[in-house]
Amino acid sequence: GAGVSQTPSNKVTEKGKYVELRCDPISGHTALYWYRQSLGQGPEFLIYFQGTGAADDSGLPNDRFFAVRPEGSVSTLKIQRTERGDSAVYLCASSVSGFGLDTQYFGPGTRLTVL
Amino acid sequence: SQQGEEDPQALSIQEGENATMNCSYKTSINNLQWYRQNSGRGLVHLILIRSNEREKHSGRLRVTLDTSKKSSSLLITASRAADTASYFCATMDSNYQLIWGAGTKLIIKP
Repeated sequence: GAGVSQTPSNKVTEKGKYVELRCDPISGHTALYWYRQSLGQGPEFLIYFQGTGAADDSGLPNDRFFAVRPEGSVSTLKIQRTERGDSAVYLCASSVSGFGLDTQYFGPGTRLTVL
Repeated sequence: SQQGEEDPQALSIQEGENATMNCSYKTSINNLQWYRQNSGRGLVHLILIRSNEREKHSGRLRVTLDTSKKSSSLLITASRAADTASYFCATMDSNYQLIWGAGTKLIIKP
């Protein structure tokens, strides 16, 4: 079946612009996660949704970052007033329930470059 | 912040040899997971070991967990060129959040 998909695969923007990154999770998966990965590092947790609500947004670095999942399926990560330090690969993952022994399935990521 | 630290940072071995990677972490965990990442397939879940388990096998993979030392190891036996990738350990805490290490870059030479 279809896995997690993310669009766009690459996004180049200028400092100060607004960007939206989209994630389509596996159908039926309740939990959805956003991570950020810089070169040579492991993923860094940003936010976790259970259904439509953000169960844990403690990883969002500041108030320029915001994410929504209005219908409990597709999610959008929104970054305002982008900075060069926001450049990274943004990964989305989904899992069946989000608890305990769930396996997270990852999308291919969106590579964001802020010039 | 990153909890796990993988060791070594990079490992290069001949095809057919075994590869061992280690992971240390700092806080108590619910479970520990290993993932592989390469450019072709992105991040893929390999194996999960619960905090009350000591060893787990999956095909050519063997994972051990020592909670007293807060460490885990991943052994890949009879390595293949297709095993070339970065390997990450990730610990799940009581909030069900996965916290990741920086990874081990494994290169299998033909």
